[in-house]
Amino acid sequence: EPEVTQTPSHQVTQMGQEVILRCVPISNHLYFYWYRQILGQKVEFLVSFYNNEISEKSEIFDDQFSVERPDGSNFTLKIRSTKLEDSAMYFCATGQGTYNEQFFGPGTRLTVL
Amino acid sequence: GENVEQHPSTLSVQEGDSAVIKCTYSDSASNYFPWYKQELGKRPQLIIDIRSNVGEKKDQRIAVTLNKTAKHFSLHITETQPEDSAVYFCAASNNRGATNKLIFGTGTLLAVQP
Repeated sequence: EPEVTQTPSHQVTQMGQEVILRCVPISNHLYFYWYRQILGQKVEFLVSFYNNEISEKSEIFDDQFSVERPDGSNFTLKIRSTKLEDSAMYFCATGQGTYNEQFFGPGTRLTVL
Repeated sequence: GENVEQHPSTLSVQEGDSAVIKCTYSDSASNYFPWYKQELGKRPQLIIDIRSNVGEKKDQRIAVTLNKTAKHFSLHITETQPEDSAVYFCAASNNRGATNKLIFGTGTLLAVQP
């Protein structure tokens, strides 16, 4: 069964550094999402992406965040200047359409020191 | 704003007993309600979902009920087994615009005692 994949599984970075998290969606999916989960807390919506543009973003998704799908396959989340509070598990999720379920990748654990 | 409340935060049951987790949502336009199971350090896994045009859905030992009037939905697990132990998240979404973002509840840690 196809699955969403993410790389890296764990990223450690210094505060102020840029990080790029990568996701490979399920091949026929058209809707892409990033969520984050701070340790021990609930999953929070960051951004949704459809037809090569952001369709919605949360208050968390400020100017330090960006997303793109540069090569038609990988879906990336970039954090330009990481802060300590960006430490979390970041999940990519993809779906076939607005009425369909979302499938989550295994996540990238980001640790900002 | 949009919010989903989930109760209880922890639930301990004996193997073979039933478990019920309840959620309420604030956005009356919500029309899709999935439940995810998350084992420690793993991804959330979709276990069952329900849409607003039905009141109940069942899949083997798990079932979900929806009360749109009360803006309330519940997960029911019967004949619980130790492998059901995990954190369960409810979520709600609507198809407003070109997005289907999920608003998650705060999670329920279910412990099934053998």
